[in-house]
Amino acid sequence: GDSVTQMEGPVTLSEEAFLTINCTYTATGYPSLFWYVQYPGEGLQLLLKATKADDKGSNKGFEATYRKETTSFHLEKGSVQVSDSAVYFCAPPVSNDYKLSFGAGTTVTVRA
Amino acid sequence: DSGVTQTPKHLITATGQRVTLRCSPRSGDLSVYWYQQSLDQGLQFLIQYYNGEERAKGNILERFSAQQFPDLHSELNLSSLELGDSALYFCASSGRLSTDTQYFGPGTRLTVL
Repeated sequence: GDSVTQMEGPVTLSEEAFLTINCTYTATGYPSLFWYVQYPGEGLQLLLKATKADDKGSNKGFEATYRKETTSFHLEKGSVQVSDSAVYFCAPPVSNDYKLSFGAGTTVTVRA
Repeated sequence: DSGVTQTPKHLITATGQRVTLRCSPRSGDLSVYWYQQSLDQGLQFLIQYYNGEERAKGNILERFSAQQFPDLHSELNLSSLELGDSALYFCASSGRLSTDTQYFGPGTRLTVL
């Protein structure tokens, strides 16, 4: 069935460092892909999405490109800030039976 | 603010008890999802309703049940509570399509003592 594999954390970085979180998926066809972020004490919120192959989603300096050749949707940011400390979830493709689980996510801590 | 509301924010109860968590989706959203987030299990999908009908079931225990009412709000009922049920419970809502963004509520923190 459809699924996603996300890089495990935790990840600790210094401010202004480059961040990449790997995410690969298996799916039937080319579904929409999403990255969600959970800041401390809050619920998940959409960070960015891409609705078709070769699309690039971007928001708050984060980018992810939907690459069908490698079935990947890696999240990147060129220069992280302390405020980017959060848990990042690569959402699995929604399968035909609509079942999905986000897993543990990747905890990112940015130090000043 | 996602537009999804959940009550209560915190809930403390004892083992064996029953609780009800409530969720109001964003205006216009027909789908409601329930998730459980614990430290050891991550964010697990429990169940989804669409316009009052159950659409998908995930890792939901038999002691748990949910429903979506005609006004589209949803309730998650947890019974015979165990210590391991302590977790954050999130509700999310989305539109009609499976590709629509899910909007998450702030969660209910359940502590079972």
